[in-house]
Amino acid sequence: KAGVTQTPRYLIKTRGQQVTLSCSPISGHRSVSWYQQTPGQGLQFLFEYFSETQRNKGNFPGRFSGRQFSNSRSEMNVSTLELGDSALYLCASSPSGRDYNEQFFGPGTRLTVL
Amino acid sequence: DQQVKQNSPSLSVQEGRISILNCDYTNSMFDYFLWYKKYPAEGPTFLISISSIKDKNEDGRFTVFLNKSAKHLSLHIVPSQPGDSAVYFCAASGRSGGSNYKLTFGKGTLLTVNP
Repeated sequence: KAGVTQTPRYLIKTRGQQVTLSCSPISGHRSVSWYQQTPGQGLQFLFEYFSETQRNKGNFPGRFSGRQFSNSRSEMNVSTLELGDSALYLCASSPSGRDYNEQFFGPGTRLTVL
Repeated sequence: DQQVKQNSPSLSVQEGRISILNCDYTNSMFDYFLWYKKYPAEGPTFLISISSIKDKNEDGRFTVFLNKSAKHLSLHIVPSQPGDSAVYFCAASGRSGGSNYKLTFGKGTLLTVNP
């Protein structure tokens, strides 16, 4: 069974631009969560989607948004990029969203904002 | 507001010895706790978990202990092996309100097992 895939793996943007990251979950998984990892803050929860509905959202500004499609693939968008948005963005999929022992993370997208 | 804290950024142990990684939490709504292991350039991988109705869970060389009254959990690795060298994240989840459908992570502890 294929794992969680994230595209692109690396991205360089400049301040003020916007970016869209993509996550394809494991087949059959309907929950997708997004996390931001930075050296100073560790892993921080962005949002979780299940059947195209956002069920929980972390404490990030409105510049961070996401969506999920009917095939469970998910995208997250960051508008008006700031230097502090440089981070590793991880997505994780699971069958239902609370079965964490069956939750798998992708390798992440490394975003650098110049 | 760090609800899950891993106060040791790094830990170094000898191969064959016990590794003990600690984690504290402040949110009493958390009822499920997990440990993840992360190698560079990879996503975290699930290691072991424990529900708040238990105080211990074992899986091979890995044991997690939960002390609810102290809001403290620990991961024991016995015996430690060089391949265990990685960053270990403690995470917590709850069944209601803001803790639902999300994991709150600590900042991680870098474990180095020396041959």
